[in-house]
Amino acid sequence: AQKITQTQPGMFVQEKEAVTLDCTYDTSDPSYGLFWYKQPSSGEMIFLIYQGSYDQQNATEGRYSLNFQKARKSANLVISASQLGDSAMYFCAILDSNYQLIWGAGTKLIIKP
Amino acid sequence: ETGVTQTPRHLVMGMTNKKSLKCEQHLGHNAMYWYKQSAKKPLELMFVYSLEERVENNSVPSRFSPECPNSSHLFLHLHTLQPEDSALYLCASSFTPGRGAGREKLFFGSGTQLSVL
Repeated sequence: AQKITQTQPGMFVQEKEAVTLDCTYDTSDPSYGLFWYKQPSSGEMIFLIYQGSYDQQNATEGRYSLNFQKARKSANLVISASQLGDSAMYFCAILDSNYQLIWGAGTKLIIKP
Repeated sequence: ETGVTQTPRHLVMGMTNKKSLKCEQHLGHNAMYWYKQSAKKPLELMFVYSLEERVENNSVPSRFSPECPNSSHLFLHLHTLQPEDSALYLCASSFTPGRGAGREKLFFGSGTQLSVL
């Protein structure tokens, strides 16, 4: 069965610094997809970035990039030049063989001014 | 206008009440989902509808009853809930799940914060 582990329940980061949010996964599927979502205090889940297991390059979306290390089964999210509005919960998820997302427990990120 | 709209944003109900949560998507998707988010727990998938047919039901108690009248609308009917059902209920939509290129990317609504007294 697929599993996602986010080992950082909470993080404090100074504004404008880069931050890395950890995500490791466990799957026996040869083909899979990895997602990161952001959930601000307002509650909605916001898609950030997607990485396919066969993608040759690490995914990037603006200030977000995914440090995908397939052999280590890790898919860490990197946020460059953090902003106060980045304060939120961040969830990593993997698409399982039944096409449903398996979610990690999340990391609460707080950006300090 | 957000692609996925949920109403109401907040709901307080007694254990004997009957209420419904509504979700509407304007993204042309053909799959819709209900998730439950309890405090300090990962999101739990409750129901999935693909092309208006239910394809997933993760052992959800019968006091939760989904309805998908068309590909743009999804309801969650609630009756005789328990206090432990208090949570954030999130609706999401996507293209019909299938391998490749992030077609499974889910778009979420803002959720309904439900409190059962």
